[in-house]
Amino acid sequence: NAGVTQTPKFQVLKTGQSMTLQCAQDMNHNSMYWYRQDPGMGLRLIYYSASEGTTDKGEVPNGYNVSRLNKREFSLRLESAAPSQTSVYFCASSPTGQETQYFGPGTRLLVL
Amino acid sequence: QKEVEQDPGPLSVPEGAIVSLNCTYSNSAFQYFMWYRQYSRKGPELLMYTYSSGNKEDGRFTAQVDKSSKYISLFIRDSQPSDSATYLCAMSPLTGANSKLTFGKGITLSVRP
Repeated sequence: NAGVTQTPKFQVLKTGQSMTLQCAQDMNHNSMYWYRQDPGMGLRLIYYSASEGTTDKGEVPNGYNVSRLNKREFSLRLESAAPSQTSVYFCASSPTGQETQYFGPGTRLLVL
Repeated sequence: QKEVEQDPGPLSVPEGAIVSLNCTYSNSAFQYFMWYRQYSRKGPELLMYTYSSGNKEDGRFTAQVDKSSKYISLFIRDSQPSDSATYLCAMSPLTGANSKLTFGKGITLSVRP
């Protein structure tokens, strides 16, 4: 039981490049989330998916898109990376009816 | 005013000290309260979870919620160097598929041997 896994662990992009961050969970959770964590800003919600087939914007969705591929997988796409998107990105999942969320190990992204 | 405020820290204490970490909030609809621990370069992990007001104890950790004052605390007794981490409070107004957590910014704790 791996919990929440994220790939890649580290990535360096040039401004304007695109990339997709992958997230998968093996806990049969319905809800999944993408956060970014920046110094002094805490964890901020980018997008979430309450259940398979649904996605909704969070606090800071601009510049990102998401896909809930199936119940296990939730990807985050940067279409045209900007230096302001340099951050640590965390995926999380949660069982339906519970508030507790379980986090992955994170992806460190540097945009030059 | 931010919905959730957390002492910015950092906080440094000697081993064996009692540590008190606090958060205040403005949204009276919050019902579910959590503390997460995050080690350096790792993802947050759930440490404590409480519903509504009251205390909850788990080993050396006690979570306390005072809804009348909109104030939550995490107490760590007999602190150990392994407790050195960033602690984030989080809270939610409701349960169900659309519940979202609001996090404090976190406080970094260092326990000196």
